[in-house]
Amino acid sequence: EAQVTQNPRYLITVTGKKLTVTCSQNMNHEYMSWYRQDPGLGLRQIYYSMNVEVTDKGDVPEGYKVSRKEKRNFPLILESPSPNQTSLYFCASSARDPGNTIYFGEGSWLTVV
Amino acid sequence: AQSVAQPEDQVNVAEGNPLTVKCTYSVSGNPYLFWYVQYPNRGLQFLLKYITGDNLVKGSYGFEAEFNKSQTSFHLKKPSALVSDSALYFCAVREPNSGNTGKLIFGQGTTLQVKP
Repeated sequence: EAQVTQNPRYLITVTGKKLTVTCSQNMNHEYMSWYRQDPGLGLRQIYYSMNVEVTDKGDVPEGYKVSRKEKRNFPLILESPSPNQTSLYFCASSARDPGNTIYFGEGSWLTVV
Repeated sequence: AQSVAQPEDQVNVAEGNPLTVKCTYSVSGNPYLFWYVQYPNRGLQFLLKYITGDNLVKGSYGFEAEFNKSQTSFHLKKPSALVSDSALYFCAVREPNSGNTGKLIFGQGTTLQVKP
């Protein structure tokens, strides 16, 4: 079954404590992205990756890092989380052609206190 | 700048009635258009997409959407709503030349409430 898997699904953490949200896809997709969802704003892209070792900033990259060492994995790293990073995060993947469907994970609820 | 608008924060319909969730877009060139649904505590599920061809696109769970180039709209429709259709719906657009970013531009979402 085609899947994008994120972990953890729910996390409460404290300001400044580094955390990583993992993402893995089993569809051999080249493209992977991270989005955050905030009320009234829809989803906004944080970072994206076109392939292994190729990453770039999306629309709201401040405070986040990513890496793409393997094709299937695309972790999102918050080096020093702050309360304004409290949000619902989605990992996504797709094949190269822009007409292809983008598949999303189940989401990770992150609360920073 | 490209953008997507969903003018209604919430749509309320009675079960069995037809439903429409509106979406308009502003992008350069011919867009690729998508609808996604988000059920409570679940991820985004793909419903349907328009790439090219027939303006009426059929998708999952009995939903369909009509692409109207002159009105730059891509409204989601269903002939007969079910209570289980109650969810948050997102319209999104991807520019054909956005291949290197894989980015979708999302609307702000519309909550659909179907009442028995």
